[in-house]
Amino acid sequence: SQQGEEDPQALSIQEGENATMNCSYKTSINNLQWYRQNSGRGLVHLILIRSNEREKHSGRLRVTLDTSKKSSSLLITASRAADTASYFCATGPIQGAQKLVFGQGTRLTINP
Amino acid sequence: NAGVTQTPKFQVLKTGQSMTLQCAQDMNHEYMSWYRQDPGMGLRLIHYSVGAGITDQGEVPNGYNVSRSTTEDFPLRLLSAAPSQTSVYFCASSHPSNEQFFGPGTRLTVL
Repeated sequence: SQQGEEDPQALSIQEGENATMNCSYKTSINNLQWYRQNSGRGLVHLILIRSNEREKHSGRLRVTLDTSKKSSSLLITASRAADTASYFCATGPIQGAQKLVFGQGTRLTINP
Repeated sequence: NAGVTQTPKFQVLKTGQSMTLQCAQDMNHEYMSWYRQDPGMGLRLIHYSVGAGITDQGEVPNGYNVSRSTTEDFPLRLLSAAPSQTSVYFCASSHPSNEQFFGPGTRLTVL
């Protein structure tokens, strides 16, 4: 079963706007990771945030983690056409943090 | 470094046939795993390994076998292919509790 639930399932915005995707999960975690998948390709790791961290930045990406609400968000600022992809959150459980459990993903489309 | 490599990229099987999907990594990662991705869904863990000689089941292990004789290689065997195993298969590797590096995937169709 999928632990992560992502919201929205699909998001379409104009180039230059910010995109926010949310992920909720059910059980306690060791870490939460965000991945990007371009159509027909493998997954590329974006950010890993550990359970004792609240916020992390990487370039135009900002990830927050609220363990009390069991939720995370991914913000992409100043979006570009190349950001068009599916974005997945994945949780690493406390026991066996490598056994990632993926959400169903958010399909992001950036319109030029 | 080549990273994580998978072969073949595409494969068509008939029901009942067996085959092995190959996965190799050159990053000296202890942890390797196999996932399947079905349309409109995230990835689901099939089997994983925390080191050479050690394997364990993930969420959807039925119909698949794995072995880990070396750190570099982690093949996935389909014993008797079924149409329900039509999917895209991804191999990944990592150090413990760190980000996973994914291969490009194998698209498998079972007729």
